Amino acid sequence: GAGVSQSPSNKVTEKGKDVELRCDPISGHTALYWYRQSLGQGLEFLIYFQGNSAPDKSGLPSDRFSAERTGGSVSTLTIQRTQQEDSAVYLCASSLRARGLAGGGGTDTQYFGPGTRLTVL
Amino acid sequence: GQQVMQIPQYQHVQEGEDFTTYCNSSTTLSNIQWYKQRPGGHPVFLIQLVKSGEVKKQKRLTFQFGEAKKNSSLHITATQTTDVGTYFCAGPNNNAGNMLTFGGGTRLMVKP
Repeated sequence: GAGVSQSPSNKVTEKGKDVELRCDPISGHTALYWYRQSLGQGLEFLIYFQGNSAPDKSGLPSDRFSAERTGGSVSTLTIQRTQQEDSAVYLCASSLRARGLAGGGGTDTQYFGPGTRLTVL
Repeated sequence: GQQVMQIPQYQHVQEGEDFTTYCNSSTTLSNIQWYKQRPGGHPVFLIQLVKSGEVKKQKRLTFQFGEAKKNSSLHITATQTTDVGTYFCAGPNNNAGNMLTFGGGTRLMVKP
């Protein structure tokens, strides 16, 4: 089946402009995550949508960053008044369940999209 | 808060040599996952370990979960150029749900 898709694949913008990044998770996946990855660096958690519960926004670096998830499917990450330090690859991931597997001690696998490479000039 | 650390950050090996990356958590983990990210690609799930002391193998890759469930390792025997990439470990975030805390990753470079 189709995996996680993200658009655009590349985005170049000027400092101060707003950008919207889109994520289409795997159909039926309840949980959706956004991460940021600077060149050669690890994954920086941004936000976590967990089914019908309120999203965990604890990773958003400033109030210029916001995200929404409509109808429990598609998600949009918006960055307002972009700065050069916002340049990075923005990765979206989804997993089947919002909560962990009962009794087994396991955690759902996260399936990542190809990412959007954002360049702020 | 919870921290997951990996060492080394980078590793250059000659093709055919072995490679090991180590993952350490500041808290006890119910499980640990490993992901691989090829250059220019996105992280892809490799395996999940759940039991204390568990060892799992995938061809030349051996994954181990520590007895105290606070550390893990990935060992690659006789590396190949196809093993190039960054290997991330990840443990469940203690807060809730399926959130994962990722380690910083170990970037493996293989010289042919």
